[in-house]
Amino acid sequence: DAGVIQSPRHEVTEMGQEVTLRCKPISGHNSLFWYRQTMMRGLELLIYFNNNVPIDDSGMPEDRFSAKMPNASFSTLKIQPSEPRDSAVYFCASSRGTVSSYEQYFGPGTRLTVT
Amino acid sequence: GENVEQHPSTLSVQEGDSAVIKCTYSDSASNYFPWYKQELGKRPQLIIDIRSNVGEKKDQRIAVTLNKTAKHFSLHITETQPEDSAVYFCAAPPEGNQAGTALIFGKGTTLSVSS
Repeated sequence: DAGVIQSPRHEVTEMGQEVTLRCKPISGHNSLFWYRQTMMRGLELLIYFNNNVPIDDSGMPEDRFSAKMPNASFSTLKIQPSEPRDSAVYFCASSRGTVSSYEQYFGPGTRLTVT
Repeated sequence: GENVEQHPSTLSVQEGDSAVIKCTYSDSASNYFPWYKQELGKRPQLIIDIRSNVGEKKDQRIAVTLNKTAKHFSLHITETQPEDSAVYFCAAPPEGNQAGTALIFGKGTTLSVSS
């Protein structure tokens, strides 16, 4: 398996622009997670899905952030409009989400820079 | 919601010494406690986890101990090597998600092992 795939790996955009981050989870995994990592705030859980359904989005910082999972093999995290304080590394992770295996497998991350 | 506190934030040891990182959590119903390692510029990866029905788990040079009464758990690394240098994160399920499907991460401990 190729593991969790994220695109793009790097994104540089200007304030006010729309940004879309993409994630393909490991096949057969039922749970998908979006995290944001910064030096100041550490690794923050933004939202997670179970069987393509959003379970908890309480970590999404503002209405400017939205996430979708239209099917079991694809998810997007959108920021519109983007702001400089959104600059961070965004990780997507997936897991089987079963009692026997809660291990989360992280993608390589997308480094977002908003100027 | 769940609050995960981790300390120390940085830890420097000599090669061959032991390293201990501690975490506390707030939700007494939590029952799954993993540790992730993140090397510089890489993604977080699970190194060991423990469930609430055991007090200790070992895997070669690493071990995790859990004290449910005090609501804290610790990572122990023995005979440290330079390749152990990384950021280590503890985690626990968010309140109301005791099964461990989602995770709240501590702020991380930067471990430096000098030879």
